Amino acid sequence: GNSVTQMEGPVTLSEEAFLTINCTYTATGYPSLFWYVQYPGEGLQLLLKATKADDKGSNKGFEATYRKETTSFHLEKGSVQVSDSAVYFCALNTNAGKSTFGDGTTLTVKP
Amino acid sequence: DTGVSQNPRHKITKRGQNVTFRCDPISEHNRLYWYRQTLGQGPEFLTYFQNEAQLEKSRLLSDRFSAERPKGSFSTLEIQRTEQGDSAMYLCASSLGQDNEKLFFGSGTQLSVL
Repeated sequence: GNSVTQMEGPVTLSEEAFLTINCTYTATGYPSLFWYVQYPGEGLQLLLKATKADDKGSNKGFEATYRKETTSFHLEKGSVQVSDSAVYFCALNTNAGKSTFGDGTTLTVKP
Repeated sequence: DTGVSQNPRHKITKRGQNVTFRCDPISEHNRLYWYRQTLGQGPEFLTYFQNEAQLEKSRLLSDRFSAERPKGSFSTLEIQRTEQGDSAMYLCASSLGQDNEKLFFGSGTQLSVL
């Protein structure tokens, strides 16, 4: 079956630090890959996506590249802000929107 | 676009009682999904609808759980004879109906079974 493994958290960084959150996956077929973000008190919302190998998704300074050879989709940001504090979920989708999610990584950015 | 709406936001019930949650998706979205999320875990797929048809149910979904989307618009999720293990956040999401597309989530219904 499909599965997503995220690096364990929580992650605590100082403002302007570099962020990497690792995500690897196992899937049958050719999945699309997603990063969702959940800010405190809010629902999950899409941060970025990539639909095929070597695609790079980007949004709000975050980036992730679909690496088929390493089955990975690591999330990166060059300079985090306090407002980036949230829970980040890696997810994959192979069929009709039935997405499989990782367990989430909590990011706290301190000023 | 008013987003995906879920009601109630919180529900506290006693073990053995029945509960029902409602989800109103984004109006033009054909697909509607229910997920469950417990603390420290990612959302776990329960079931989804294409218009009014329920196309898939998770094998993890107990017979005590039933979902409907009678007119292809809003959906209800009912849990009969609740158990303490049912305590979780129940998330609803909707999408336009294209494969491999993003989901739009509601804020969820937090269920506590005492």
